[in-house]
Amino acid sequence: DSGVTQTPKHLITATGQRVTLRCSPRSGDLSVYWYQQSLDQGLQFLIQYYNGEERAKGNILERFSAQQFPDLHSELNLSSLELGDSALYFCASSVVQGNEQFFGPGTRLTVL
Amino acid sequence: AQTVTQSQPEMSVQEAETVTLSCTYDTSESDYYLFWYKQPPSRQMILVIRQEAYKQQNATENRFSVNFQKAAKSFSLKISDSQLGDAAMYFCAYRSLYGGATNKLIFGTGTLLAVQP
Repeated sequence: DSGVTQTPKHLITATGQRVTLRCSPRSGDLSVYWYQQSLDQGLQFLIQYYNGEERAKGNILERFSAQQFPDLHSELNLSSLELGDSALYFCASSVVQGNEQFFGPGTRLTVL
Repeated sequence: AQTVTQSQPEMSVQEAETVTLSCTYDTSESDYYLFWYKQPPSRQMILVIRQEAYKQQNATENRFSVNFQKAAKSFSLKISDSQLGDAAMYFCAYRSLYGGATNKLIFGTGTLLAVQP
């Protein structure tokens, strides 16, 4: 158990819908990272937050957005969902930027 | 931009034997971190071992060790005395040493390791 929690574990929805994935970092970790794992794209970085502020963006679609709240939990919002958005979404956290990242168990999103 | 390449999509090893997984990377940076992550069927990403590029000594963690060749940009993982629980997908990953926008992990495509009893 890495100490990073993600909810829900599984999510099944339809095309065009909007979903929110939630991540709680390890206690004391200020940085949160979101990654997407799909058969087509492999594991790729989406976005990073540090202490409530966006710090880095990767291959994140405009239909996707994220935020980190004052209690340091983070949410990833995916809208206008397409079949190709079906993937495993991981959240990872670290104490400060540059330190080892600990991964949560992931949220499996299926878009039908 | 940095890239990570794992040229072995699948590998197989007999229980108690040794296996080496290959990874090469491309970067223009001189300081960085390299990692091996394990993803078992549970899909959890588990850090196996890390290597700082500025350290010449190869990292070891129990049965896991790396062969880091900085000039060749090669970072292989050796698993000794393989166990059934080692069966998993293994990902090689790169991360810049410095902060800012370069904190992201860049992953290879993975190697699926099967352990035969």
